Amino acid sequence: NAGVTQTPKFRVLKTGQSMTLLCAQDMNHEYMYWYRQDPGMGLRLIHYSVGEGTTAKGEVPDGYNVSRLKKQNFLLGLESAAPSQTSVYFCASSYPGRETYEQYFGPGTRLTVT
Amino acid sequence: LAKTTQPISMDSYEGQEVNITCSHNNIATNDYITWYQQFPSQGPRFIIQGYKTKVTNEVASLFIPADRKSSTLSLPRVSLSDTAVYYCLVGDIGRGWAGNMLTFGGGTRLMVKP
Repeated sequence: NAGVTQTPKFRVLKTGQSMTLLCAQDMNHEYMYWYRQDPGMGLRLIHYSVGEGTTAKGEVPDGYNVSRLKKQNFLLGLESAAPSQTSVYFCASSYPGRETYEQYFGPGTRLTVT
Repeated sequence: LAKTTQPISMDSYEGQEVNITCSHNNIATNDYITWYQQFPSQGPRFIIQGYKTKVTNEVASLFIPADRKSSTLSLPRVSLSDTAVYYCLVGDIGRGWAGNMLTFGGGTRLMVKP
């Protein structure tokens, strides 16, 4: 099992450009999440999905869109990048209903917007 | 959503036991307490989870007093590789922690010295 993978690992964008971050998981998890982590800070939830075809807003959704067309994939889109979106983005997945609830995180995508 | 308070940083030496306390005064009846560990440039990793009394696994112990308004993560005989940020989270795992139920605060930066 590869677990949770994220593509790309690094990216530099210019203000106004768009891009899509891909998250994939091979654990058949129902829930998937996108977080951002700014330097020295904790993680903040951007969007999440509780199943294929469903998405919902988290704590800081503005400027981002998401899609969950397939259960194993969760895409995060930036339509018009801004310097304030410079951050490290983490994807996570989880399986609800088990005795121990655990989120599995990917390695992160470091995004710089100039 | 229960707010958590942790020390910003802690120092320790190799071989010592480290105890990190988290305050969560407004914890709800259905809330569980979970701790994650994060190394630099990596996503968080689940350490331990509990509801009350004491939970122990191969990595750590979690102590939760009867009133559940605080919890203590205990790391036995730390090594240099335990240097990381430790996050305390409180939430209702019965709801799968989807969306805003999962909040990472600033965490506790543990520095283990030789």
